[in-house]
Amino acid sequence: QQQVKQSPQSLIVQKGGISIINCAYENTAFDYFPWYQQFPGKGPALLIAIRPDVSEKKEGRFTISFNKSAKQFSLHIMDSQPGDSATYFCAADPRGTSGSRLTFGEGTQLTVNP
Amino acid sequence: EAQVTQNPRYLITVTGKKLTVTCSQNMNHEYMSWYRQDPGLGLRQIYYSMNVEVTDKGDVPEGYKVSRKEKRNFPLILESPSPNQTSLYFCASSFGAGRAQYFGPGTRLTVL
Repeated sequence: QQQVKQSPQSLIVQKGGISIINCAYENTAFDYFPWYQQFPGKGPALLIAIRPDVSEKKEGRFTISFNKSAKQFSLHIMDSQPGDSATYFCAADPRGTSGSRLTFGEGTQLTVNP
Repeated sequence: EAQVTQNPRYLITVTGKKLTVTCSQNMNHEYMSWYRQDPGLGLRQIYYSMNVEVTDKGDVPEGYKVSRKEKRNFPLILESPSPNQTSLYFCASSFGAGRAQYFGPGTRLTVL
């Protein structure tokens, strides 16, 4: 049972467009929500992360929007570039644990056409 | 260079033949984890370790063992691999919960 649901499974965007990936969670104990970016043949790398005390976080062209009441969060990529083509994973980590218990979404394969 | 290394990167084996995938990090991280990545399922945590000699099960621990005898190393052991363990495996390390995890390059395992 997937505790973090991610959509869409795949996304094709034109260069310069906006890419939007959505995630929903059930466990209210989650209190750290990172997004990871993975290129083919590589391990995932942290892209941006948010905690539930803020509703939005922006880093360059990447923005996380967080809706605590709806238990949803999303990644927006502005001015999408072909170099952004990768697989994106949302994740969630519960508070109060002695170790890192990241739960990942299913992943979204993003293709940005030139 | 700060990094997580895994070996081997690719491995083809047969059912029942014990194998070990090594993982090492040079960032002095307390926390280390193993994940498997399967299409449509994302990454699922197998085991994690909070420090030397302290390990705990993740979401899919069946068929796997780990040990943490040194802070920098966290090997994954498959004592009797089966075809359903064919997957892409990642080791990761971090300073703890709610902190960035640094992933290794992955080990693609095929069990025939």
